[in-house]
Amino acid sequence: NAGVTQTPKFQVLKTGQSMTLQCAQDMNHNSMYWYRQDPGMGLRLIYYSASEGTTDKGEVPNGYNVSRLNKREFSLRLESAAPSQTSVYFCASSEAASGSVWNSYNEQFFGPGTRLTVL
Amino acid sequence: KNEVEQSPQNLTAQEGEFITINCSYSVGISALHWLQQHPGGGIVSLFMLSSGKKKHGRLIATINIQEKHSSLHITASHPRDSAVYICAVRVLAGAGSYQLTFGKGTKLSVIP
Repeated sequence: NAGVTQTPKFQVLKTGQSMTLQCAQDMNHNSMYWYRQDPGMGLRLIYYSASEGTTDKGEVPNGYNVSRLNKREFSLRLESAAPSQTSVYFCASSEAASGSVWNSYNEQFFGPGTRLTVL
Repeated sequence: KNEVEQSPQNLTAQEGEFITINCSYSVGISALHWLQQHPGGGIVSLFMLSSGKKKHGRLIATINIQEKHSSLHITASHPRDSAVYICAVRVLAGAGSYQLTFGKGTKLSVIP
């Protein structure tokens, strides 16, 4: 099993360009997440998908869109990249909590990250 | 807003030392995670706990829900333990899913 994979690993964009970051998981997880990591700050949630067909905003969604293409894949799109979006992006997945959520302790598995620079 | 504070921010230790990293949070949570980020950037989950203590090899994680505090201990530290250790707390976000709020991490360097 590959776990969580992300493409590309590195990308350089010019301001105003668009791109899509791809994420796939082969663990049959229901929930998937996109985070960004900036120097001196903790990981911050951009968007998440609790299950196939649903997406919700996280802490820092502005400037991004997502698509849950199917259960395996969750993509993050930058329509018009800005220098403030220079960051390392991580995708993660987990089993969805179900039933008694307070007793469901689901680990998140992270992809290797995409280092994005916007000039 | 849930805040997660880690201390220390940076820690340098001699090989063999006992290490403690602390994490405090401000709201009620369903679980707390300790993660390790390797120098190459990859993130792996070390522990997920909601009460008491968990042990895996030389790593021990404890949590006190009443005091909203957790600690990660490393016994007999080794240079390969050098990494950033991240605390994250899990809060219910609705629709059967949850969100993690992350601390800024503790950078550990273990010197031979």
